[in-house]
Amino acid sequence: AQSVTQPDIHITVSEGASLELRCNYSYGATPYLFWYVQSPGQGLQLLLKYFSGDTLVQGIKGFEAEFKRSQSSFNLRKPSVHWSDAAEYFCAVGATGFQKLVFGTGTRLLVSP
Amino acid sequence: DAGVIQSPRHEVTEMGQEVTLRCKPISGHDYLFWYRQTMMRGLELLIYFNNNVPIDDSGMPEDRFSAKMPNASFSTLKIQPSEPRDSAVYFCASSSTSGSWNEQFFGPGTRLTVL
Repeated sequence: AQSVTQPDIHITVSEGASLELRCNYSYGATPYLFWYVQSPGQGLQLLLKYFSGDTLVQGIKGFEAEFKRSQSSFNLRKPSVHWSDAAEYFCAVGATGFQKLVFGTGTRLLVSP
Repeated sequence: DAGVIQSPRHEVTEMGQEVTLRCKPISGHDYLFWYRQTMMRGLELLIYFNNNVPIDDSGMPEDRFSAKMPNASFSTLKIQPSEPRDSAVYFCASSSTSGSWNEQFFGPGTRLTVL
């Protein structure tokens, strides 16, 4: 069965600084990997996704993520954080043939002035 | 497309009352998911449907919860009787097997408060 670990519950970053949110997954085959963002009071919005091909994927709002099979990781990055990026970020893993996704517990990003 | 539509957006009710949450998935999507989000437990999958048939309801917390999908464009999640611990945000999401890689599209959620 798949599982996802987001080791950081909260992260605080200064506006303009770089960001990296960690995600580790457990799955025997090549996973489908996703990052979703949830702004306060809103639903989840897809930032980016990976299934195959280039291991560095670009998403919306200037985010990118890198799939590292050897480390079972799919970390989310952004070179310069904006105050509007303050939100909760969820990593999720899916499997071929199954529509169900397994979500991590989320990382809450706080952006300081 | 309008996206996944949920109603109501907010619901306040008293303990013991019946609550019905509604969801309209994206047209053409054949999977529908119900999630619950709380501070304590995070995002939990309650149940999901494929072609209107429940596939996995192992996340439904107890018999007070029930979900139906009478047709491809409508689903309900019912709580009867409601309890204060049911207070949470309930999300509906849909996806398509002919679409992109299990991607789920989420509705805006229903914030339920049980007094």
